[in-house]
Amino acid sequence: GQNIDQPTEMTATEGAIVQINCTYQTSGFNGLFWYQQHAGEAPTFLSYNVLDGLEEKGRFSSFLSRSKGYSYLLLKELQMKDSASYLCAVRDNTDKLIFGTGTRLQVFP
Amino acid sequence: EAQVTQNPRYLITVTGKKLTVTCSQNMNHEYMSWYRQDPGLGLRQIYYSMNVEVTDKGDVPEGYKVSRKEKRNFPLILESPSPNQTSLYFCASSGEGTGNTYEQYFGPGTRLTVT
Repeated sequence: GQNIDQPTEMTATEGAIVQINCTYQTSGFNGLFWYQQHAGEAPTFLSYNVLDGLEEKGRFSSFLSRSKGYSYLLLKELQMKDSASYLCAVRDNTDKLIFGTGTRLQVFP
Repeated sequence: EAQVTQNPRYLITVTGKKLTVTCSQNMNHEYMSWYRQDPGLGLRQIYYSMNVEVTDKGDVPEGYKVSRKEKRNFPLILESPSPNQTSLYFCASSGEGTGNTYEQYFGPGTRLTVT
């Protein structure tokens, strides 16, 4: 079966760095996405990885290792507004997008 | 402004009363999809459409119907809603984006309660 695992909850302090991990087992691989979702709102796109390595976009970076079926999202200089759920999603070989259950991040002052 | 719109945003209905949730996108995207989101279960795909007149079942299609007569619209139909379809529903669309990412754009969500 297809499976995406990520921690359910994480906490961190304002100004700190946090890493959210995601492991996946899917039928093929056509890219990995990270989305941010604030409570009651729609998910918004953060990053996309299809090749191994690190993609950096401002305070957010995403890493992919296809051989390990592993990705992480790195958030630097945390702000209170970063409190949200972070969703890892993988596009399989039919171009279907499969989501993990999300990691709820709470940032404390 | 590029966007995905859904209507209604909130709906309370009774068991068995047919309803339709509309979804429309203005980005000329080929791919559209419906998801439901439930606590602890994440986003689960209900149906998706690769293009006009082409629809396929996702992971949880039972109790739902869709149609894709035009590229911009992808309505979700519940012929006989039941309480287990109480959920938060998202429509999404995607097309060839920058760098071939095919990122999905989500609508604002429809919170449905079936009593």
